[in-house]
Formats: sequence, C-alpha cells, structure tokens
Amino acid sequence: NAGVTQTPKFQVLKTGQSMTLQCAQDMNHEYMSWYRQDPGMGLRLIHYSVGAGITDQGEVPNGYNVSRSTTEDFPLRLLSAAPSQTSVYFCASSLSYRESAGYTFGSGTRLTVV
Amino acid sequence: GDSVTQMEGPVTLSEEACLTINCTYTATGYPSLFWYVQYPGEGLQLLLKATKADDKGSNKGFEATYRKETTSFHLEKGSVQVSDSAVYFCALSAYGGATNKLIFGTGTLLAVQP
Repeated sequence: NAGVTQTPKFQVLKTGQSMTLQCAQDMNHEYMSWYRQDPGMGLRLIHYSVGAGITDQGEVPNGYNVSRSTTEDFPLRLLSAAPSQTSVYFCASSLSYRESAGYTFGSGTRLTVV
Repeated sequence: GDSVTQMEGPVTLSEEACLTINCTYTATGYPSLFWYVQYPGEGLQLLLKATKADDKGSNKGFEATYRKETTSFHLEKGSVQVSDSAVYFCALSAYGGATNKLIFGTGTLLAVQP
C-alpha cells in the first residue's frame, strides 16, 4: 500500500514555464487536496476535490489549476511559474470529506522558481 | 473565519524533559482537532486527534485534550526523546458548506538535545 505518491520530489523552473505536479493515491480516498508550505505561514490550501469530476478553490488558488478525472489522481498545474510560487507542495487525501477524517500526506515536492 | 494559533518556536529541550506546545483555535460550530508531526524532509503524519469536547487523543506518549471552554488543544509529553525532534502542527477540521477543510497553525519546531 503506497499511500499518497507525489512526483517529482524536487524541481527548478524558470519564470514563465509551466509544469504539472503529480499526486496519486491508492486508498480509494474520495477527498484530495493540495497545500503549499511556506516558512512562518504553515500550510495553506490551494485546491481540493471531493470526488472524481469535482474540484474547488482553497485559500490561495491563483496561478494553479487542478482536475480530477479519476479517484486516484489529482494533478496540480502551474500555468506560468512565478518566483512567488517557490514553495514546498503537499498533496493530501482522506477517506471522506466529512470532518472527523484524518489526512494522509505525500512526501512533498520542493519547487524553486528562478 | 476559522483559525488556529500555536506557540512559536523553536522549542529546545533536553532529553527526558516535559513538553507542552500550546494551541488555541477559533471556529464556528464543533470542529475536530488534530496534531500532525513533520520529520525533516518528510510529509506530515497524523499524530493524534479528538473529535468532540473533553476527548483526549493520544499516541506515542503524546496526548492532547479537546477543551471547548478554553478553545484549546495543547500537546503534551512527559519525557521527550531526541527522536521527537520535528515540526508539530495543530489543525482543525471545519465542516462548512459541501466539504471540510483542514486549517493549520504555523507549526512549532521542537529540538531535543541529548
């Protein structure tokens, strides 16, 4: 049971480039989400999904797109990378979108935009 | 809006010392409360949780009690080890609208010295 798998682990982009951060889970979790972690700011929610075909914006969605075509996958797309998007990105999933479920996190993608 | 406030770090302790990391929250309704731990270079792992007032979550010698009257969820351990060195995040799960959202504090770095 792999849990939540994120790729790549590290990435350097030039300003204006686009890329996709991959996230996959094999636990049949209905809820998936993307967070970014910045020093002194904790984790902030970018986008989330409560099931295949359903996505919604979190706290800091600008500059990012998501889609959920299958239960397993929830890729995060950076449309035109900016230095302000330098961060560590975490994908997280939970069995249910109901409030008492705990989250399983991936190991993160460290992104640097130069 | 809903929020979590936790004590700033770093917290530096000697091995076998007692630990308390303070966490208070603001929320409408009745959130679930969580502590997550992040070891260096890894993603977040669920440490413990409590879903209603007066519940006590516990795991690996850590415990925290959901105190509705003081809106607090302080993390405690009686005797810390070097292996407990990590960043600890307090979080609440607020069910609003169609789904829940996990809201994090800014994290507290714990460094345990031998």
